Amino acid sequence: DAGVIQSPRHEVTEMGQEVTLRCKPISGHDYLFWYRQTMMRGLELLIYFNNNVPIDDSGMPEDRFSAKMPNASFSTLKIQPSEPRDSAVYFCASSRTGEDEAFFGQGTRLTVV
Amino acid sequence: LAKTTQPISMDSYEGQEVNITCSHNNIATNDYITWYQQFPSQGPRFIIQGYKTKVTNEVASLFIPADRKSSTLSLPRVSLSDTAVYYCLVGDWEAAGNKLTFGGGTRVLVKP
Repeated sequence: DAGVIQSPRHEVTEMGQEVTLRCKPISGHDYLFWYRQTMMRGLELLIYFNNNVPIDDSGMPEDRFSAKMPNASFSTLKIQPSEPRDSAVYFCASSRTGEDEAFFGQGTRLTVV
Repeated sequence: LAKTTQPISMDSYEGQEVNITCSHNNIATNDYITWYQQFPSQGPRFIIQGYKTKVTNEVASLFIPADRKSSTLSLPRVSLSDTAVYYCLVGDWEAAGNKLTFGGGTRVLVKP
């Protein structure tokens, strides 16, 4: 398996624009996680899914952020409208079960100018 | 989730053993202890997980005393490529649905 695949790797956008980050989890993994990493706040769990259903979205910063998982092989994290403070590296991770290790993607570096 | 405390940074030299201790005084009965490693510009990578006593794999060892209020990750004979940030996580995977909450981590620098 190629691992968790995220796209794009880098995204530069202007404030106010919509941004969509994409993630393909490892096949057969039932859990999918979205994280944000910044120097100031470290790694923050934004939301996670189990069998395509959002379980905990308490980490989503505000209504501008939304995440979907339409099927077992694809998830999106959308920011609309984007703001400069959203600039960060966004990671997607997946795990086979609730007890197993999580595998992380390479991340998407988002810059909002 | 139990709060974790670990040193901000550590320096070491090639070939030495590195031990990173994580404090988790409020660890609950069902909590497991997991360590992840993160290299620059990459996502975290699982190293090891344990519940009590000692766990060893090809990469590291994890020592957990009887009271489980702390744990020590041991990296034997480190090389330059072990320079990374190491995170200690404590959580009840079953009740919380594998909720992975990362703390600040320990930045390990291996010098030649």
